[in-house]
Amino acid sequence: QKEVEQNSGPLSVPEGAIASLNCTYSDRGSQSFFWYRQYSGKSPELIMFIYSNGDKEDGRFTAQLNKASQYVSLLIRDSQPSDSATYLCAVKTSGSRLTFGEGTQLTVNP
Amino acid sequence: SAVISQKPSRDICQRGTSLTIQCQVDSQVTMMFWYRQQPGQSLTLIATANQGSEATYESGFVIDKFPISRPNLTFSTLTVSNMSPEDSSIYLCSVMGARDGYTFGSGTRLTVV
Repeated sequence: QKEVEQNSGPLSVPEGAIASLNCTYSDRGSQSFFWYRQYSGKSPELIMFIYSNGDKEDGRFTAQLNKASQYVSLLIRDSQPSDSATYLCAVKTSGSRLTFGEGTQLTVNP
Repeated sequence: SAVISQKPSRDICQRGTSLTIQCQVDSQVTMMFWYRQQPGQSLTLIATANQGSEATYESGFVIDKFPISRPNLTFSTLTVSNMSPEDSSIYLCSVMGARDGYTFGSGTRLTVV
């Protein structure tokens, strides 16, 4: 079992729709969870992180964490073509290491 | 968040040679991380570099192939040694900044021919 798994892509949504990105992790002791966006040819940029069960909102982005189910998700409301990128889920594990999922490629169609 | 200057941004190297990648951070950080991102893949941690101690390597990565230096709290280098075409990847450094956010350098795109 992979340490961090993301829903397989690619994911395509129309402009203005909600994009839903999902991630599961295997280490039940993990405490911090991160979502990064990576445009082609660029380095990852942090969208948001979450520690506590429940929802955390930042503008059009909402991260959801359910530690009992070992599940974290990212919702993007009112998706824009500029949101088209690869989204990486990352989990902070021992030694402050970040372990990344394989990424989900999102395309928002105008 | 910390600002990282990484160089070179890209290079094309002959097999059998070595390339040293540098990362300079605008603030002092305890831990720096080196990642590899192979074409079409996600990020894989190579090693964690702490100032004043040996780097800690992940499974599958060895010091002879990827020696790391960490002379102070703002700088680190990663060397890719005795390169082969399989080493063609993007190499990224990262630091853990304030409030637990991890920042990445702009990456080094390495092509080995």
